[in-house]
Amino acid sequence: QSALTQPASVSGSPGQSITISCTGTSSDVGGYNYVSWYQQHPGKAPKLMISDVSNRPSGVSNRFSGSKSGNTASLTISGLQAEDEADYYCSSYTSSGAPVFGGGTKLTVL
Amino acid sequence: EVQLVQSGAEVKKPGESLRISCTGFGYSFAGYWISWVRQMPGKGLEWMGRIDPSDSYTNYSPSFQGHVTISADKSLSTAYLQWSSLKASDSAMYYCARHRGMTTGMDVWGQGTTVTVSS
Repeated sequence: QSALTQPASVSGSPGQSITISCTGTSSDVGGYNYVSWYQQHPGKAPKLMISDVSNRPSGVSNRFSGSKSGNTASLTISGLQAEDEADYYCSSYTSSGAPVFGGGTKLTVL
Repeated sequence: EVQLVQSGAEVKKPGESLRISCTGFGYSFAGYWISWVRQMPGKGLEWMGRIDPSDSYTNYSPSFQGHVTISADKSLSTAYLQWSSLKASDSAMYYCARHRGMTTGMDVWGQGTTVTVSS
């Protein structure tokens, strides 16, 4: 199962909104509403930010939102803050019955 | 507090065996699957496999099948990741994470265990 495709990097200024894309196929992202997004700060474990395409776990800021169209899922962060600077990974359930991660996107807050 | 606590960093030689652990606290360990995720230096996350601690049923990624063994002891609320013969390419950070099923997000992660394999 190939990794999902994410941009290597995105950037934005404080207060702006950014969107990170995650492109797969009809065997993963496009076939199921089981896309998750994780935030990972340097030297830290990943943290679940979005599950089931658009559900925010308790405690996650409502500045984070998820969506999906066809084979591409997206994570949008609004009102960008310095603390949002981190790596972001998408993940999807696949037709093989296993999850697959994206390659990761480094978010820089300018 | 719900948490997964992993065993400490390991330094091993090629060919040696190793077992690292992941212990759950604050929740019913048997009620959630445990997955293991590899992160090589400077690289992304890779799903290795998972176990259901209630019955020890496992699934592995084809990339890791046959190279590692995942097990669990629900009486100790602990899952394990084991190698019988380490290679230098096994050097990485390994995370355990819990989830309800294969379709759900991994909502609690361990702090990670660094494995270094060097002669």
